[in-house]
Amino acid sequence: SQQGEEDPQALSIQEGENATMNCSYKTSINNLQWYRQNSGRGLVHLILIRSNEREKHSGRLRVTLDTSKKSSSLLITASRAADTASYFCATDVIQGAQKLVFGQGTRLTINP
Amino acid sequence: DTGVSQNPRHKITKRGQNVTFRCDPISEHNRLYWYRQTLGQGPEFLTYFQNEAQLEKSRLLSDRFSAERPKGSFSTLEIQRTEQGDSAMYLCASSLSALAETQYFGPGTRLLVL
Repeated sequence: SQQGEEDPQALSIQEGENATMNCSYKTSINNLQWYRQNSGRGLVHLILIRSNEREKHSGRLRVTLDTSKKSSSLLITASRAADTASYFCATDVIQGAQKLVFGQGTRLTINP
Repeated sequence: DTGVSQNPRHKITKRGQNVTFRCDPISEHNRLYWYRQTLGQGPEFLTYFQNEAQLEKSRLLSDRFSAERPKGSFSTLEIQRTEQGDSAMYLCASSLSALAETQYFGPGTRLLVL
């Protein structure tokens, strides 16, 4: 079963605008990760934020984590057409195999 | 730097046939994971290996599914007596150790069961 939910399920913006995606999860975690998936392809790791961190940056990406609300957000600034993809948050369950539990994803479309 | 590779990339089969997929992880990664992804959904965990030992299997992995990692390097995932519901993308991922939380994914094998 899916651990989390991304919101919105689909997002369409103009190139140059910022895109914000949200993720909620249900159980306690060690860390939360964001992955990108281009249509029909494998997943590319974007960023990992640990449960004791509140914010992390990587290039045009900014991730926040609120463990009290069990939620995270991914902000992509100055979007480009190449950012068009599906974005998934993934959490690792504290007990178990460090397997990743994914949400259903946000489909992001950047219009030129 | 060689990433995770999967073969074949696409497989079309008839219901009832057996199929086998292969995953080659990043060299020296001792953890290997299999996930399944259906259209419009996120990947779902199937099973994982620590070296050659299969340590956990999801309830999604019915008895028609079997995975091996005989020498702790590449892995195979076999589906016997395929059903139309098995149609999905099968993704493999690897990581360096239990402490390296980032999993690196392969391009996936897309299976279509007719």
